[in-house]
Amino acid sequence: EVQLVESGGGLVQPGGSLRLSCAASGFTFSSYWMHWVRQAPGKGLVWVSRINSDGSSTSYADSVKGRFTISRDNAKNTLYLQMNSLRAEDTAVYYCARGSQVGATPTDYWGQGTLVTVSS
Amino acid sequence: SYVLTQPPSVSVAPGKTARITCGGNNIGSKSVHWYQQKPGQAPVLVIYYDSDRPSGIPERFSGSNSGNTATLTISRVEAGDEADYYCQVWDSSSDRVVFGGGTKLTVL
Repeated sequence: EVQLVESGGGLVQPGGSLRLSCAASGFTFSSYWMHWVRQAPGKGLVWVSRINSDGSSTSYADSVKGRFTISRDNAKNTLYLQMNSLRAEDTAVYYCARGSQVGATPTDYWGQGTLVTVSS
Repeated sequence: SYVLTQPPSVSVAPGKTARITCGGNNIGSKSVHWYQQKPGQAPVLVIYYDSDRPSGIPERFSGSNSGNTATLTISRVEAGDEADYYCQVWDSSSDRVVFGGGTKLTVL
């Protein structure tokens, strides 16, 4: 059974940093592209970032480029999102999602999400 | 950047057919995926590559994609189908994944 479990969310002050983790199991993690997607309270889904299967290629939404860094450790079956210079508008539930083996989409499995709140 | 446009809401009576559209420039040339999200839950893939259904998704869910519009069709709508629905594409030219704004399906 495919499982994705996010952790690392919480309350952080504006300008602060946070690192999210996503522990994967039930599939060959190193074969799949992976994503972070966020959802602000009461709002829609917004794609944040993706990384290819071996970690050699990444892409970011313009709203987080230069502040967030996606990475993965295939030996530990774990996906990360390092978030720096956090802003109030980064407040959201952050989901990790599994992409395809040959490209970014579809994102066929999702974790339950971890809430990040940026507030003073 | 590529934009996907969905109607904010669609209402349908039980047993009828719901159609949720997703508009985008020449979207017919892209692969469209659809997600269902119920309150407090993670999204679930219901249609991928325009019209394929993952295992466990009822045959009542179908999709099509042509020209500037992709459509998710839900036949014989049930109360349990009430949810938010999102379309998604990968814009390979910009290497960005794009979601539509979402459509709230209300079962009357």
